[in-house]
Amino acid sequence: EPEVTQTPSHQVTQMGQEVILRCVPISNHLYFYWYRQILGQKVEFLVSFYNNEISEKSEIFDDRFSVERPDGSNFTLKIRSTKLEDSAMYFCASIKTSGTVGQYFGPGTRLTVT
Amino acid sequence: KNEVEQSPQNLTAQEGEFITINCSYSVGISALHWLQQHPGGGIVSLFMLSSGKKKHGRLIATINIQEKHSSLHITASHPRDSAVYICAVCRNNAGNMLTFGGGTRLMVKP
Repeated sequence: EPEVTQTPSHQVTQMGQEVILRCVPISNHLYFYWYRQILGQKVEFLVSFYNNEISEKSEIFDDRFSVERPDGSNFTLKIRSTKLEDSAMYFCASIKTSGTVGQYFGPGTRLTVT
Repeated sequence: KNEVEQSPQNLTAQEGEFITINCSYSVGISALHWLQQHPGGGIVSLFMLSSGKKKHGRLIATINIQEKHSSLHITASHPRDSAVYICAVCRNNAGNMLTFGGGTRLMVKP
């Protein structure tokens, strides 16, 4: 069964550095999402992406965050000037068509900012 | 006030028991999702509902749009059902953005 993959599984970075989290969505999917989950807290929506542009974004997705689909397969989340409070599990998800079925989630990348 | 509330927060059951997890929401929605989060952190989508009832194996999900309430039922529960179950809603006019509940941590004992 096709699946969403994410790399790396765990990323440790120093405060102030830039990180790029990578996702490979399912190949014929068209809608892409990033979520985060701070340890012990609920999952939070960050951003949705369709047709090479952001569809929606939450208040969390400030100007330090950006997303890109550079090559038609990878879907990346970049965080600039990382803060301690960016430490969380980041999940990528994708779907083929909007509003028909549930989203397919990747296994997550645990980001630790020290 | 949270827009999506789940109850209970924690639930312990004996193998074989019938389990119900509840989700109430306070906003207009276009769809509601039930997700399962495994102990390792991975998330699996179980159901997406906009009305009525859906069944998949031992899992049943129902939604009452008028009452803004959904339930997830597990029949003949098994220790492998132990996980966190999360309710999430697509709010009206919010596209595909999901708003998540806090999750229900289920432990099924043999």
